[in-house]
Amino acid sequence: EPEVTQTPSHQVTQMGQEVILRCVPISNHLYFYWYRQILGQKVEFLVSFYNNEISEKSEIFDDQFSVERPDGSNFTLKIRSTKLEDSAMYFCASTGGPRNTGELFFGEGSRLTVL
Amino acid sequence: AQSVAQPEDQVNVAEGNPLTVKCTYSVSGNPYLFWYVQYPNRGLQFLLKYITGDNLVKGSYGFEAEFNKSQTSFHLKKPSALVSDSALYFCAVRDRGNEKLTFGTGTRLTIIP
Repeated sequence: EPEVTQTPSHQVTQMGQEVILRCVPISNHLYFYWYRQILGQKVEFLVSFYNNEISEKSEIFDDQFSVERPDGSNFTLKIRSTKLEDSAMYFCASTGGPRNTGELFFGEGSRLTVL
Repeated sequence: AQSVAQPEDQVNVAEGNPLTVKCTYSVSGNPYLFWYVQYPNRGLQFLLKYITGDNLVKGSYGFEAEFNKSQTSFHLKKPSALVSDSALYFCAVRDRGNEKLTFGTGTRLTIIP
C-alpha cells in the first residue's frame, strides 16, 4: 500500500540552526501539508501546498518557515533559525483530493528536538 | 473560524463493551468531519469521514460515527471494544472552502481486558 515517508525520524539541533525535514508524499497525490504535534497532544496545521505554491498557512508558519517541492517527488519543510519552542513532532500529509473532502494520509513523523 | 472539542481526555472501556468517543464542532458553514487514530510513536491513521448524505458513516476496524447537525456532534462509536483499539483518537473538521483541517485535542482510549 502506498505511504507517505518522512526523514529523518529524529533530529537533534542547537537553537539557531537551520533544519530541513523531508517528505515523499504518495506519488499520485496533488495536495501536501505539514502539521506538528507537541508532546503527543494537539495536532496543529502549519501549511498546505498545491500546484507548487502555498495555498494556506497558519499563524505558526512565520518567516522562519518555508516549504518547497524541489524535484516533483520530495516535499520539504525548512526552519531557518530554530527556537526551543519548535521542538515537536512534524507530520507530512498528502491527499489525492478532492481538496476539501479528501482524507489526509500522514507519514510517521519527524521528531525535532531543539537544545 | 472552525474548531473541534473533545471533552474527554481519557476514556476507559471494558473489552467487549460498546465505546463512544465524543466530538463536537463549530464551523461557519457545512462541515466536513473526520476521525483519525494514533498509535504510540506513529502517524495519524484515517478512520472515517462525513461529507454528505447518510448521517451514520462506517469506517475502518468496525468503527462508525454519527453526524448530528442539531447538536453539532460527530461521536465515534464501536459496538464491541477490543484491547487493540487502545490508542489516541482525534476528531477533525474542515469548513467548506478551507484547506486547513482543524484537530481536537485528542481522547486517549484504553480498553481494559
